[in-house]
Amino acid sequence: QQPVQSPQAVILREGEDAVINCSSSKALYSVHWYRQKHGEAPVFLMILLKGGEQKGHDKISASFNEKKQQSSLYLTASQLSYSGTYFCGTEIDSGGSNYKLTFGKGTLLTVNP
Amino acid sequence: DTGVSQDPRHKITKRGQNVTFRCDPISEHNRLYWYRQTLGQGPEFLTYFQNEAQLEKSRLLSDRFSAERPKGSFSTLEIQRTEQGDSAMYLCASSTRDRRNTEAFFGQGTRLTVV
Repeated sequence: QQPVQSPQAVILREGEDAVINCSSSKALYSVHWYRQKHGEAPVFLMILLKGGEQKGHDKISASFNEKKQQSSLYLTASQLSYSGTYFCGTEIDSGGSNYKLTFGKGTLLTVNP
Repeated sequence: DTGVSQDPRHKITKRGQNVTFRCDPISEHNRLYWYRQTLGQGPEFLTYFQNEAQLEKSRLLSDRFSAERPKGSFSTLEIQRTEQGDSAMYLCASSTRDRRNTEAFFGQGTRLTVV
């Protein structure tokens, strides 16, 4: 039931864009995105609920395709501070929320000057 | 600091010893989660509480692991007879009941090393 993230790693120059994908074989109730820097706790970025919504703040946005059980995280005009490992956490649709997140293996994003 | 607090931050123990970790969630959060994270992997679900009730426990957890949240506030995670494979970062997170506008806040974690 672990979601699959792609790519595993990406290297950018400052100002470039990136897309990180997350897919599940199960019907999803929600998708949560986190960023974790080395030695630190995961930090919440956003949550997307089933219904195919899209969210964003600043230059980071995400979409959730309920039919395909896929979510994508979009980082535009990347900044050095965006570097870290990005995780998607998925919540299975069990006729509602089951409150348990299953995380992917992560995508390591490195932004160079 | 009003975030999720975990104690200790680091623990080194000998194989076979018991260890206990503590998590203090954000005060108004009624849900509390324990996750385990190893190098290069995402957090792995261990168990979760709603108030003082433990509602789910991962089937991957052996009987050596036990968690409590006696008064619906702080929680403890105990590992008995530790093994080298238990070495990992143990993360605690908390969230509110509001499903549409919730986020799980993670603590800084307790890094366990079993030697």
